[in-house]
Amino acid sequence: GENVEQHPSTLSVQEGDSAVIKCTYSDSASNYFPWYKQELGKGPQLIIDIRSNVGEKKDQRIAVTLNKTAKHFSLHITETQPEDSAVYFCAGPGGTSYGKLTFGQGTILTVHP
Amino acid sequence: DGGITQSPKYLFRKEGQNVTLSCEQNLNHDAMYWYRQDPGQGLRLIYYSQIVNDFQKGDIAEGYSVSREKKESFPLTVTSAQKNPTAFYLCASRQGMNTGELFFGEGSRLTVL
Repeated sequence: GENVEQHPSTLSVQEGDSAVIKCTYSDSASNYFPWYKQELGKGPQLIIDIRSNVGEKKDQRIAVTLNKTAKHFSLHITETQPEDSAVYFCAGPGGTSYGKLTFGQGTILTVHP
Repeated sequence: DGGITQSPKYLFRKEGQNVTLSCEQNLNHDAMYWYRQDPGQGLRLIYYSQIVNDFQKGDIAEGYSVSREKKESFPLTVTSAQKNPTAFYLCASRQGMNTGELFFGEGSRLTVL
């Protein structure tokens, strides 16, 4: 099955700095890569996703890049704000199905004012 | 508002007891999922269901059971056979197995005393 590795496990930045979280995956057939944000005591929420037919996708201050050759994808948050502090998870398909997502271990992002 | 409702939010149980976690969605989604979340391990898939009266084991199904008698409901029973049941449990749903965003509930925290 798919194996998704996420780094770093914790990330601390100053408000206004950029934050980058990277994930690697093992299944070369994987073609869908979502990112989720989980605030304390809540369920994860989708913040951005990318499919394998594009290399980059942006939505305001967040972007995701995908390198299929190297089998890694990254989340970029620019101009970080304290409300960006949360746990972020990447995910990849568990096989060829979108439905069985395999999640990374999570990154605790702390943005200091 | 449409969404996923999990209950109870917090639950304590003694060793040897079965406990059932409720998950209800009013999004008219076909696919539903149960994930377990432990610190530093991301989200691991317990069971999933693509359609009413059908469900499949995920990666860590041992010690758990589910039913899917109604489209909107997917309860999870944590049995006494689950050796380490203390965890945060997340229910999710999706329009179809390979379609749409995965929506999560707010989670249920189970503690075994």
